[in-house]
Amino acid sequence: AQSVTQLGSHVSVSEGALVLLRCNYSSSVPPYLFWYVQYPNQGLQLLLKYTTGATLVKGINGFEAEFKKSETSFHLTKPSAHMSDAAEYFCAVSARQAGTALIFGKGTTLSVSS
Amino acid sequence: DGGITQSPKYLFRKEGQNVTLSCEQNLNHDAMYWYRQDPGQGLRLIYYSQIVNDFQKGDIAEGYSVSREKKESFPLTVTSAQKNPTAFYLCASSTTGDNSPLHFGNGTRLTVT
Repeated sequence: AQSVTQLGSHVSVSEGALVLLRCNYSSSVPPYLFWYVQYPNQGLQLLLKYTTGATLVKGINGFEAEFKKSETSFHLTKPSAHMSDAAEYFCAVSARQAGTALIFGKGTTLSVSS
Repeated sequence: DGGITQSPKYLFRKEGQNVTLSCEQNLNHDAMYWYRQDPGQGLRLIYYSQIVNDFQKGDIAEGYSVSREKKESFPLTVTSAQKNPTAFYLCASSTTGDNSPLHFGNGTRLTVT
């Protein structure tokens, strides 16, 4: 079975500071991993995904994430936060079976102050 | 533009009434999903469907029902048996490739009083 744990329900940073959102996963098979962003009262938008190959994955809006198998982690980072990055972020894992649903973490709310 | 349409955006019902949430997609995706979102609990899977006329229960299917009569449509009915129906409901779709990301609609916020 798959599961996802996001460490920290709230993260606050200053504009221009490093953003680090933590995600650890549990999976009985090599996982596919995803990060999504959600703005208030909207659906989720895909930021990036890891399937196979290069373990450092670049996504939209300057975000990237690194798959570390030894640490079962897939942390999301951005070198310099912008006010528009304030949102809720979800990490998700796939069971690697076609058409099956993603398993989501509980989310981390990112606040950015000026 | 292709996408997923959920309607209405806000829905209010009295306790004891069934209510149906609409989800339509024009992405030609085979798979569709319903998730429920509550503050601090992330997204929890209610039902999903990989093909027309077939669907599977997710983790919290009790008190909900779905149908998949057309590829484009996957309506969710919240029945009076659902003990705590007030929530934000998200519909999603994907291709059936095993690394396919989900595409989400903008959600329906249901309030039951």
